[in-house]
Amino acid sequence: QTVVTQEPSFSVSPGGTVTLTCGLGSASVSTGHYPSWYQQTPGQAPRTLIYSTNIRSSGVPDRFSGSILGNKAALTITGAQADDECDYYCVLYMGVGTPVFGGGTKLTVL
Amino acid sequence: EVQLVESGGGLVQPGGSLRLSCVASGFTFSSHWMHWVRQAPGKGLEWVAKIKQDGSDKDYVDSVKGRFTISRDDANNSLYLQMNNLRVEDTAVYYCARGSRSPGGSSYFDVWGRGTLVTVSS
Repeated sequence: QTVVTQEPSFSVSPGGTVTLTCGLGSASVSTGHYPSWYQQTPGQAPRTLIYSTNIRSSGVPDRFSGSILGNKAALTITGAQADDECDYYCVLYMGVGTPVFGGGTKLTVL
Repeated sequence: EVQLVESGGGLVQPGGSLRLSCVASGFTFSSHWMHWVRQAPGKGLEWVAKIKQDGSDKDYVDSVKGRFTISRDDANNSLYLQMNNLRVEDTAVYYCARGSRSPGGSSYFDVWGRGTLVTVSS
């Protein structure tokens, strides 16, 4: 069973910049894993933020950006706002086209 | 408006069965892979199953193989998840999600339903 790793929690100051990561243990994440990122407020359905590593979904502000940093996929939030405080999930596609979610990162803005 | 609406959740005893439905509107349902994703209370998201546009290809997470069956009815823009031999650990909100492909070929989920709660308990 493939394990996709994310930081369980992260904290950022209002207006600050934070980078959340999405890894595969000792293996490297590449664009071929089609990294995507989803935002979820408690009690709500997920919202698609980023797909294909770095393409913002429609309506997503440009302070959200995706990349590959070292051997991980990354989601960077620039100029964090109070309503960015929620859970963030990455998804990587494995060899046979099976998507695997990371465990999620709970972001606190304070 | 592009929309997915799930239904069919409820309380069921361990070993019981339940059939979830997801009705799509606002897009050409038959053109998309469709997925079920679940979230146990207080836990993260977990991909459960997917089905190809014509229903010819299906896949499941290991924990539900042999118990859950995904299907679709393109004439009625509907996605289903038949869940048999349910276990306490299947308790979760089940989301229907549309699969899409970027021009570069990347797969991702781009439309989500609001979910339906399945509770497995005696």
